[in-house]
Amino acid sequence: KQEVTQIPAALSVPEGENLVLNCSFTDSAIYNLQWFRQDPGKGLTSLLLIQSSQREQTSGRLNASLDKSSGRSTLYIAASQPGDSATYLCAVRLSVNSGGYQKVTFGIGTKLQVIP
Amino acid sequence: DTEVTQTPKHLVMGMTNKKSLKCEQHMGHRAMYWYKQKAKKPPELMFVYSYEKLSINESVPSRFSPECPNSSLLNLHLHALQPEDSALYLCASSQVSGQGNQPQHFGDGTRLSIL
Repeated sequence: KQEVTQIPAALSVPEGENLVLNCSFTDSAIYNLQWFRQDPGKGLTSLLLIQSSQREQTSGRLNASLDKSSGRSTLYIAASQPGDSATYLCAVRLSVNSGGYQKVTFGIGTKLQVIP
Repeated sequence: DTEVTQTPKHLVMGMTNKKSLKCEQHMGHRAMYWYKQKAKKPPELMFVYSYEKLSINESVPSRFSPECPNSSLLNLHLHALQPEDSALYLCASSQVSGQGNQPQHFGDGTRLSIL
């Protein structure tokens, strides 16, 4: 059974700092890995999706890397802003299914607070 | 603003009530999902519909009954719920793709409280 762990559980940084969030998974036979952001009481917003054949993906100040063999992914946030405060979750898709839908396992998330 | 719309945003119901949660998307996605999320926990998959057919039921109790009347709508019918069913219920949709490169899009959820 795939298990997804995120460290740290919570992180508080001053505005402008660069930071790294970590995600690890036990079964390296993943199909893709996705990073999400969740604001309190809201749904999830997809940030980046990395296919198993890719090493990294970038979007603006965000960069996500994937090392399948070691079962790890990192989300790098550059020049953090107070608006980045949210919970960040990673989700791993283990296999392709004939239905073509995404069946994923989520980590518990890292709660980030960026202090002005 | 999200492209997946869920109604109602909040719902309080008694254990004997019958109610429904609704989810709508107009992105042409043919896979739709229901998740349950308890406080400070990750979302847990409940159901997956692919091309309007139920593809996954994660051993969800029968007091939760999903329905996909067309490619844009997904309902979750609730009956005789228990207090432990109180949670945030999230709907998501995605393209159906054998390449697995299509992200899921989530609604803002329905906050359900069972009295």
